[in-house]
Amino acid sequence: RKEVEQDPGPFNVPEGATVAFNCTYSNSASQSFFWYRQDCRKEPKLLMSVYSSGNEDGRFTAQLNRASQYISLLIRDSKLSDSATYLCVVTQGGGATNKLIFGTGTLLAVQP
Amino acid sequence: NAGVTQTPKFQVLKTGQSMTLQCAQDMNHNSMYWYRQDPGMGLRLIYYSASEGTTDKGEVPNGYNVSRLNKREFSLRLESAAPSQTSVYFCASTRSRAGGYNEQFFGPGTRLTVL
Repeated sequence: RKEVEQDPGPFNVPEGATVAFNCTYSNSASQSFFWYRQDCRKEPKLLMSVYSSGNEDGRFTAQLNRASQYISLLIRDSKLSDSATYLCVVTQGGGATNKLIFGTGTLLAVQP
Repeated sequence: NAGVTQTPKFQVLKTGQSMTLQCAQDMNHNSMYWYRQDPGMGLRLIYYSASEGTTDKGEVPNGYNVSRLNKREFSLRLESAAPSQTSVYFCASTRSRAGGYNEQFFGPGTRLTVL
């Protein structure tokens, strides 16, 4: 079983749609959680951290369920510019030995 | 600030050739990382350096060596390239935040093809 699992997609949605991505992780000791965004042939960039209480940043909402080891990302009012691969990321270790474990990503294509 | 820079951007090698991928960051980060990204596999950690003078193996270290030259620079060396090392290589560095939320900043990547 992969440490971080995501639906690879692709998710094809029209502009203005709401879309949700899910992610599960296997290591209950994982401490920190993130969503990264990766555009085609570019490097990953942090989209948002995921906090235990859930958090929102504009059109993006992230949720964490530690009991189910499940993370989600909700995008409202999708824009063409949201088209990218979304990577679910969890950390292992802490402090100086902190390591990120990446999911394989979910591809989102927003259609005009 | 340039952030994380990598050279070269593209490279084609023949099997058995050697090369070094260079990475530098100007954000005064302590920790640096090398990943490879392959289709369907996601990003996998090759080596990391928690601080200047230390290096540790990640998930897929075989066939690679690293050097943490100073706080800014972290290089990755392929001693004898193999076709299985054809991949996109990303260097990253970490800024530590309160609560353990350590954001990683990535370089633009090196696209390596081994024939």
